[in-house]
Amino acid sequence: ETGVTQTPRHLVMGMTNKKSLKCEQHLGHNAMYWYKQSAKKPLELMFVYNFKEQTENNSVPSRFSPECPNSSHLFLHLHTLQPEDSALYLCASSQVPGRAEGTEAFFGQGTRLTVV
Amino acid sequence: KQEVTQIPAALSVPEGENLVLNCSFTDSAIYNLQWFRQDPGKGLTSLLLIQSSQREQTSGRLNASLDKSSGRSTLYIAASQPGDSATYLCAVKWGYSSASKIIFGSGTRLSIRP
Repeated sequence: ETGVTQTPRHLVMGMTNKKSLKCEQHLGHNAMYWYKQSAKKPLELMFVYNFKEQTENNSVPSRFSPECPNSSHLFLHLHTLQPEDSALYLCASSQVPGRAEGTEAFFGQGTRLTVV
Repeated sequence: KQEVTQIPAALSVPEGENLVLNCSFTDSAIYNLQWFRQDPGKGLTSLLLIQSSQREQTSGRLNASLDKSSGRSTLYIAASQPGDSATYLCAVKWGYSSASKIIFGSGTRLSIRP
């Protein structure tokens, strides 16, 4: 248990469906991240939130829509996805202090998404 | 361009051996470097975090070193066990803010033979 919880663990959705991934962290961190891990590719950073404000959008298609209602919760809303979006989606959190050295990033167990 | 490379992509060794996993990165002005373990289909488990001012970190049978000038980090695993079988990922952060990119290597898939 890393203190970062993701639900659901597995999701199968059609290309016309709308679904949401949820991430919750119990570590008191102020930054949360969405990553995508596709087969045989390095992890790709998708979005970064710091104090609920989005600070990074790594050229992600608009069919992925993040939401961060507070510093403990992060959502990824999905709509009209493509089969190539099938991947493991990982959420992470860390404490971003400013100009002091940073702390570890902790990851959830991921949501295995299959788009059919 | 900031890149992280891990070689080899896969490694198989018999149980009990000591082994070294390698991570190299471009741009030596890193903020920190973190080693993770990932079991198949699972999330990432943090193993060790090395700050830019540090040369190494140790946790149990694991020792990670950092040489910024050469752009390299190694993860040393002593007395390997079958339970160590997993993919090991190296991640480098450049910059102190949350917006600073963390770039991952492709990982080394480690298999320990009983």
